[in-house]
Amino acid sequence: DIQMTQSPSSLSASVGDRVTITCRASQDISSSLAWYQQKPGKAPKLLLYAASRLGSGVPSRFSGSGSGADYILTITGLQPEDFGIYYCQQYFRTPPLTFGQGTKVDVK
Amino acid sequence: QVQLVESGGGVVQPGMSQRLSCAASGTTFSDFGMHWVRQAPGKGLEWVAVIYYDGSTKYYADSVKGRFTISRDNSKSTLYLHMNSLRAEDTAVYYCARGRGIVRGALHYFDSWGQGTLVTVSS
Repeated sequence: DIQMTQSPSSLSASVGDRVTITCRASQDISSSLAWYQQKPGKAPKLLLYAASRLGSGVPSRFSGSGSGADYILTITGLQPEDFGIYYCQQYFRTPPLTFGQGTKVDVK
Repeated sequence: QVQLVESGGGVVQPGMSQRLSCAASGTTFSDFGMHWVRQAPGKGLEWVAVIYYDGSTKYYADSVKGRFTISRDNSKSTLYLHMNSLRAEDTAVYYCARGRGIVRGALHYFDSWGQGTLVTVSS
């Protein structure tokens, strides 16, 4: 199985800050990586796929980068509504599809 | 607007069975692979199972293999998860999700999710 490791596990940032979340796979996943945002009591929402492609309707302050086994989600200009838990997911190999453990983002 | 609506959750005793359903609308259901993903209370996301767009192939997480069965009825635009021999560790919110990526395959990310249905396994 491909293991996905996110860092940090949690962070707190102010409105307007630039926030970065890292996701490391246990092997090269060739940009087969998606990012999701989940708010309490809600289903996850797709933010990015193919490491850097924005999902439908996702604000441009969200961006993704990386290659090989290492990927980054960046929020440029954090907004109050960006609180939640962010997950990465690899779709390079299945079964199983695997997720990172999540990064909780609090907005100060 | 894709809509996925799960149903069938509830409280079930250990060792018993439960069937979840996911009704799809706003999408050509038969064009997409479909997945179940679960989330235990306070925990992260765990992929459970996938079924190809035509129902020809299914894959399962090791944690549910041999106990859960995924199926679909394309004529009803509905996805199912039959869960047998339920255990306390199966307690979770179960989401159905539409897979995107390789059409004839299972290497998917998820672009649409249902609201989830809670299954609680407890005596």
